[in-house]
Amino acid sequence: DQQVKQNSPSLSVQEGRISILNCDYTNSMFDYFLWYKKYPAEGPTFLISISSIKDKNEDGRFTVFLNKSAKHLSLHIVPSQPGDSAVYFCAASVDNYGQNFVFGPGTRLSVLP
Amino acid sequence: DTGVSQDPRHKITKRGQNVTFRCDPISEHNRLYWYRQTLGQGPEFLTYFQNEAQLEKSRLLSDRFSAERPKGSFSTLEIQRTEQGDSAMYLCASRSGAASGSYEQYFGPGTRLTVT
Repeated sequence: DQQVKQNSPSLSVQEGRISILNCDYTNSMFDYFLWYKKYPAEGPTFLISISSIKDKNEDGRFTVFLNKSAKHLSLHIVPSQPGDSAVYFCAASVDNYGQNFVFGPGTRLSVLP
Repeated sequence: DTGVSQDPRHKITKRGQNVTFRCDPISEHNRLYWYRQTLGQGPEFLTYFQNEAQLEKSRLLSDRFSAERPKGSFSTLEIQRTEQGDSAMYLCASRSGAASGSYEQYFGPGTRLTVT
Protein backbone atom coordinates (compact mmCIF):
# COMPACT_ATOMS: atom_id res chain seq x y z
CA ASP A 1 0.00 0.00 0.00
CA GLN A 2 1.98 2.95 -1.32
CA GLN A 3 0.92 6.11 0.45
CA VAL A 4 3.06 8.41 -1.72
CA LYS A 5 3.03 7.79 -5.45
CA GLN A 6 5.10 9.16 -8.27
CA ASN A 7 3.53 7.59 -11.29
CA SER A 8 6.13 8.72 -13.81
CA PRO A 9 9.32 6.68 -13.36
CA SER A 10 11.14 8.94 -15.79
CA LEU A 11 10.85 12.28 -17.56
CA SER A 12 12.93 13.88 -20.30
CA VAL A 13 12.93 17.63 -20.87
CA GLN A 14 14.87 19.93 -23.14
CA GLU A 15 17.28 22.35 -21.50
CA GLY A 16 15.63 25.71 -20.82
CA ARG A 17 12.11 24.30 -20.75
CA ILE A 18 9.93 23.62 -17.73
CA SER A 19 10.14 20.30 -15.85
CA ILE A 20 7.01 19.25 -13.98
CA LEU A 21 7.28 16.36 -11.57
CA ASN A 22 4.10 15.04 -10.00
CA CYS A 23 3.32 13.35 -6.72
CA ASP A 24 0.05 11.95 -5.37
CA TYR A 25 -0.69 10.78 -1.86
CA THR A 26 -3.46 8.83 -0.23
CA ASN A 27 -3.17 9.73 3.46
CA SER A 28 -5.22 12.85 4.19
CA MET A 29 -3.33 13.25 7.47
CA PHE A 30 -0.13 14.20 5.63
CA ASP A 31 0.49 17.88 6.28
CA TYR A 32 4.12 18.51 5.41
CA PHE A 33 5.79 17.70 2.11
CA LEU A 34 9.32 17.83 0.79
CA TRP A 35 11.14 17.24 -2.44
CA TYR A 36 14.58 15.67 -2.51
CA LYS A 37 17.03 15.27 -5.37
CA LYS A 38 19.41 12.35 -5.60
CA TYR A 39 22.50 11.93 -7.74
CA PRO A 40 24.08 8.48 -8.17
CA ALA A 41 26.30 7.37 -5.27
CA GLU A 42 25.06 10.24 -3.08
CA GLY A 43 22.38 10.55 -0.45
CA PRO A 44 19.20 12.53 -1.20
CA THR A 45 19.58 16.31 -1.01
CA PHE A 46 16.76 18.50 0.26
CA LEU A 47 15.29 20.82 -2.37
CA ILE A 48 12.12 22.50 -1.18
CA SER A 49 9.24 21.95 1.23
CA ILE A 50 5.65 23.01 1.71
CA SER A 51 3.24 22.77 4.60
CA SER A 52 -0.46 22.15 4.22
CA ILE A 53 -1.35 25.71 5.14
CA LYS A 54 0.14 26.89 1.86
CA ASP A 55 -0.59 26.02 -1.74
CA LYS A 56 2.67 27.27 -3.23
CA ASN A 57 6.28 27.69 -2.21
CA GLU A 58 9.01 29.08 -4.40
CA ASP A 59 12.79 28.98 -4.16
CA GLY A 60 14.68 30.23 -7.16
CA ARG A 61 14.03 27.98 -10.13
CA PHE A 62 12.03 25.54 -8.00
CA THR A 63 8.34 25.92 -7.14
CA VAL A 64 6.18 23.39 -5.34
CA PHE A 65 2.41 23.47 -5.66
CA LEU A 66 0.07 21.68 -3.28
CA ASN A 67 -3.57 20.80 -4.00
CA LYS A 68 -4.88 19.28 -0.78
CA SER A 69 -8.33 18.51 -2.09
CA ALA A 70 -6.79 16.45 -4.89
CA LYS A 71 -4.02 15.08 -2.64
CA HIS A 72 -1.55 16.15 -5.28
CA LEU A 73 1.63 18.13 -5.36
CA SER A 74 3.99 19.05 -8.13
CA LEU A 75 7.51 20.39 -8.48
CA HIS A 76 8.21 22.85 -11.27
CA ILE A 77 11.75 23.56 -12.39
CA VAL A 78 12.14 26.58 -14.64
CA PRO A 79 14.34 26.81 -16.60
CA SER A 80 15.61 23.24 -16.54
CA GLN A 81 19.37 22.76 -16.67
CA PRO A 82 21.46 19.65 -17.46
CA GLY A 83 22.68 19.66 -13.84
CA ASP A 84 19.09 19.05 -12.75
CA SER A 85 19.29 15.54 -14.17
CA ALA A 86 18.76 13.31 -11.13
CA VAL A 87 16.14 11.23 -9.35
CA TYR A 88 13.54 13.33 -7.55
CA PHE A 89 11.70 12.01 -4.51
CA CYS A 90 8.53 13.37 -3.02
CA ALA A 91 8.15 12.82 0.74
CA ALA A 92 5.29 13.42 3.16
CA SER A 93 4.92 13.57 6.91
CA VAL A 94 1.93 12.94 9.13
CA ASP A 95 2.83 15.37 11.84
CA ASN A 96 4.07 18.89 12.26
CA TYR A 97 7.48 17.78 13.45
CA GLY A 98 8.43 15.70 10.44
CA GLN A 99 9.32 12.73 12.56
CA ASN A 100 8.73 10.11 9.97
CA PHE A 101 8.70 10.84 6.27
CA VAL A 102 7.11 8.53 3.72
CA PHE A 103 8.90 8.69 0.38
CA GLY A 104 7.60 8.07 -3.09
CA PRO A 105 9.49 5.78 -5.49
CA GLY A 106 11.10 8.67 -7.35
CA THR A 107 11.09 10.11 -10.86
CA ARG A 108 14.27 10.15 -12.93
CA LEU A 109 14.60 13.50 -14.69
CA SER A 110 16.85 13.84 -17.70
CA VAL A 111 17.47 17.34 -18.99
CA LEU A 112 18.76 17.18 -22.53
CA PRO A 113 21.17 19.84 -23.78
CA ASP B 1 33.10 18.49 6.05
CA THR B 2 30.16 19.11 8.33
CA GLY B 3 27.64 16.88 6.59
CA VAL B 4 26.29 13.49 7.62
CA SER B 5 28.89 10.75 7.19
CA GLN B 6 28.43 7.00 7.01
CA ASP B 7 30.90 4.17 7.27
CA PRO B 8 31.52 1.93 5.45
CA ARG B 9 30.28 3.09 2.06
CA HIS B 10 30.09 -0.47 0.78
CA LYS B 11 29.84 -3.81 2.56
CA ILE B 12 29.77 -7.27 1.03
CA THR B 13 29.00 -10.09 3.41
CA LYS B 14 27.96 -13.71 3.30
CA ARG B 15 24.51 -14.78 4.34
CA GLY B 16 24.34 -15.46 8.05
CA GLN B 17 27.07 -13.01 9.03
CA ASN B 18 26.52 -9.95 11.23
CA VAL B 19 27.22 -6.45 9.97
CA THR B 20 27.38 -3.06 11.68
CA PHE B 21 27.12 0.35 10.08
CA ARG B 22 27.99 3.69 11.59
CA CYS B 23 26.44 7.12 11.08
CA ASP B 24 27.85 10.43 12.27
CA PRO B 25 25.17 13.13 12.05
CA ILE B 26 25.66 16.87 11.71
CA SER B 27 27.02 17.84 15.10
CA GLU B 28 24.24 20.14 16.28
CA HIS B 29 21.44 17.83 15.15
CA ASN B 30 19.76 15.91 17.93
CA ARG B 31 17.48 13.83 15.69
CA LEU B 32 18.81 10.90 13.72
CA TYR B 33 17.02 8.61 11.29
CA TRP B 34 17.81 5.34 9.55
CA TYR B 35 16.24 4.45 6.20
CA ARG B 36 16.59 1.57 3.79
CA GLN B 37 16.39 2.01 0.03
CA THR B 38 16.09 -0.73 -2.54
CA LEU B 39 16.38 -0.41 -6.30
CA GLY B 40 13.58 1.61 -7.85
CA GLN B 41 12.12 2.63 -4.51
CA GLY B 42 12.34 5.64 -2.27
CA PRO B 43 13.90 5.48 1.17
CA GLU B 44 11.83 3.51 3.70
CA PHE B 45 11.87 4.62 7.32
CA LEU B 46 13.45 2.18 9.77
CA THR B 47 13.95 3.99 13.06
CA TYR B 48 14.41 7.39 14.67
CA PHE B 49 16.37 8.75 17.64
CA GLN B 50 16.00 11.95 19.56
CA ASN B 51 19.30 12.32 21.37
CA GLU B 52 20.00 8.83 22.74
CA ALA B 53 16.36 7.75 22.92
CA GLN B 54 15.00 5.51 20.18
CA LEU B 55 11.50 6.93 19.81
CA GLU B 56 10.09 5.08 16.83
CA LYS B 57 10.70 1.82 15.00
CA SER B 58 9.15 0.66 11.76
CA ARG B 59 7.65 -2.79 11.42
CA LEU B 60 10.34 -3.24 8.75
CA LEU B 61 12.87 -3.40 11.58
CA SER B 62 12.82 -7.10 12.37
CA ASP B 63 14.35 -8.66 15.47
CA ARG B 64 17.58 -9.12 13.55
CA PHE B 65 18.02 -5.36 13.32
CA SER B 66 19.14 -3.20 16.21
CA ALA B 67 20.13 0.43 16.33
CA GLU B 68 21.81 2.42 19.04
CA ARG B 69 22.84 5.97 19.72
CA PRO B 70 24.56 5.61 23.06
CA LYS B 71 25.73 9.17 23.68
CA GLY B 72 23.29 11.01 21.50
CA SER B 73 25.93 11.60 18.84
CA PHE B 74 26.86 8.84 16.37
CA SER B 75 24.59 5.87 15.77
CA THR B 76 25.13 2.26 14.78
CA LEU B 77 22.81 -0.08 12.91
CA GLU B 78 23.51 -3.78 13.31
CA ILE B 79 22.00 -6.57 11.26
CA GLN B 80 22.41 -10.06 12.66
CA ARG B 81 22.27 -13.25 10.59
CA THR B 82 22.06 -11.34 7.33
CA GLU B 83 19.78 -12.58 4.58
CA GLN B 84 19.92 -11.88 0.85
CA GLY B 85 16.79 -9.74 1.23
CA ASP B 86 18.77 -7.37 3.44
CA SER B 87 20.76 -6.23 0.41
CA ALA B 88 19.98 -2.54 0.06
CA MET B 89 21.31 0.97 0.56
CA TYR B 90 21.12 1.98 4.22
CA LEU B 91 20.75 5.72 4.61
CA CYS B 92 21.21 7.83 7.70
CA ALA B 93 19.75 11.31 8.07
CA SER B 94 19.75 13.96 10.76
CA ARG B 95 17.92 17.16 11.51
CA SER B 96 17.81 19.88 14.05
CA GLY B 97 15.34 19.70 16.89
CA ALA B 98 15.01 23.47 17.00
CA ALA B 99 11.58 24.90 16.39
CA SER B 100 12.73 26.60 13.22
CA GLY B 101 9.66 25.69 11.28
CA SER B 102 11.63 23.62 8.82
CA TYR B 103 11.81 19.89 9.12
CA GLU B 104 14.07 18.75 6.35
CA GLN B 105 16.38 15.88 7.03
CA TYR B 106 19.96 15.87 5.80
CA PHE B 107 21.12 12.57 4.39
CA GLY B 108 24.46 10.86 4.38
CA PRO B 109 25.84 9.08 1.30
CA GLY B 110 24.58 5.71 2.48
CA THR B 111 26.09 2.27 3.04
CA ARG B 112 25.43 -0.20 0.26
CA LEU B 113 25.07 -3.73 1.65
CA THR B 114 25.34 -6.77 -0.57
CA VAL B 115 24.58 -10.15 0.98
CA THR B 116 25.86 -13.08 -1.05
